[in-house]
Amino acid sequence: NAGVTQTPKFQVLKTGQSMTLQCAQDMNHEYMSWYRQDPGMGLRLIHYSVGAGITDQGEVPNGYNVSRSTTEDFPLRLLSAAPSQTSVYFCASSNRWSSYNEQFFGPGTRLTVL
Amino acid sequence: TQLLEQSPQFLSIQEGENLTVYCNSSSVFSSLQWYRQEPGEGPVLLVTVVTGGEVKKLKRLTFQFGDARKDSSLHITAAQPGDTGLYLCAGARGNKLVFGAGTILRVKS
Repeated sequence: NAGVTQTPKFQVLKTGQSMTLQCAQDMNHEYMSWYRQDPGMGLRLIHYSVGAGITDQGEVPNGYNVSRSTTEDFPLRLLSAAPSQTSVYFCASSNRWSSYNEQFFGPGTRLTVL
Repeated sequence: TQLLEQSPQFLSIQEGENLTVYCNSSSVFSSLQWYRQEPGEGPVLLVTVVTGGEVKKLKRLTFQFGDARKDSSLHITAAQPGDTGLYLCAGARGNKLVFGAGTILRVKS
């Protein structure tokens, strides 16, 4: 199993550009989520999904869209990039939502918005 | 304002020393998880504590969940350079995981 994969690993955007961060998992996990990590702030939840066709907002959803058309994929779209979205983005998955279940994280995408 | 406050933010110690990292909140969590993250990688789960007062040991690491399920601690005995990394606590609220800001640990040989 490849686990959770994320592409690209690095990306530089100009203000106003749009792009999609890709996330895929091959563990047949129902629960998937996106976090951003900024220095001194830990990981903050952007959006999450408890299963195909179901998504919901996390702590910092503004400026981001998600969709979940398949169990495997959970892409994150930046509609109009802003410098404040410069961050490291992590995708995570777990078998299903449970407060006890381990979250498996991808290797991250480092995004810079100029 | 962080829902989960971690302290200290940064810790630099010599190999062989003991240390404790704290994770505190005014809110109750159904469980508390500890993750370790190395540079350029995603966090990896170390342990999940569920019951108030629970203590779990993982080799030289001891994790404790507070009686009221609002706080937790991570104690490392005889730290090794391989323990260097970012330690994150995370609390489960509803169907979301809330993370603390993390503690950066550097163990010097």
